[in-house]
Amino acid sequence: QQPVQSPQAVILREGEDAVINCSSSKALYSVHWYRQKHGEAPVFLMILLKGGEQKGHDKISASFNEKKQQSSLYLTASQLSYSGTYFCGTGTNQAGTALIFGKGTTLSVSS
Amino acid sequence: NAGVTQTPKFQVLKTGQSMTLQCAQDMNHNSMYWYRQDPGMGLRLIYYSASEGTTDKGEVPNGYNVSRLNKREFSLRLESAAPSQTSVYFCASSKYSGPYEQYFGPGTRLTVT
Repeated sequence: QQPVQSPQAVILREGEDAVINCSSSKALYSVHWYRQKHGEAPVFLMILLKGGEQKGHDKISASFNEKKQQSSLYLTASQLSYSGTYFCGTGTNQAGTALIFGKGTTLSVSS
Repeated sequence: NAGVTQTPKFQVLKTGQSMTLQCAQDMNHNSMYWYRQDPGMGLRLIYYSASEGTTDKGEVPNGYNVSRLNKREFSLRLESAAPSQTSVYFCASSKYSGPYEQYFGPGTRLTVT
């Protein structure tokens, strides 16, 4: 089943903060975050692994609660360039051969 | 270094026609994927190939077939297109299957009338 993302949409002014959540009904091994700008391909942000390891961009912050099968992406001091749709993808085993993506959260940042 | 390339960028088909979407990567990745993206539905996995010589179904495989031609290339075929297959198709690749960054191609916008 697709993970559930919340909220569906966020509107911010530059400098404001936002949190995007991703929740799964299955036990997770990994959570992946991607950002997609309108008309473009998704771009990798980070991966969070069971056990605490994280791989990704230094300026992006996220958490992974393994017990609750939840992850949150923290966007602080937002910039115009943060606008886009954010997707979480969840992997349920170490091979993780089949990521299941959520429906996305659309973030709009204005000046 | 082009990354992941897809052809064509746009395509219009009539119901019942067939076509093949091509995908190639030049990063020496082992794993490749095909997704479709529909408004409000996110990215849904159609098929993937964890390594050269293997393919597996994803969430929405009906109406599609794939071929991992070699390590670089992974094609998606629609044998008899239906309006429900109107979508944007993305190919992606990663070093290995599992918790590795996926690199996406620019997408193919397909319309079936």
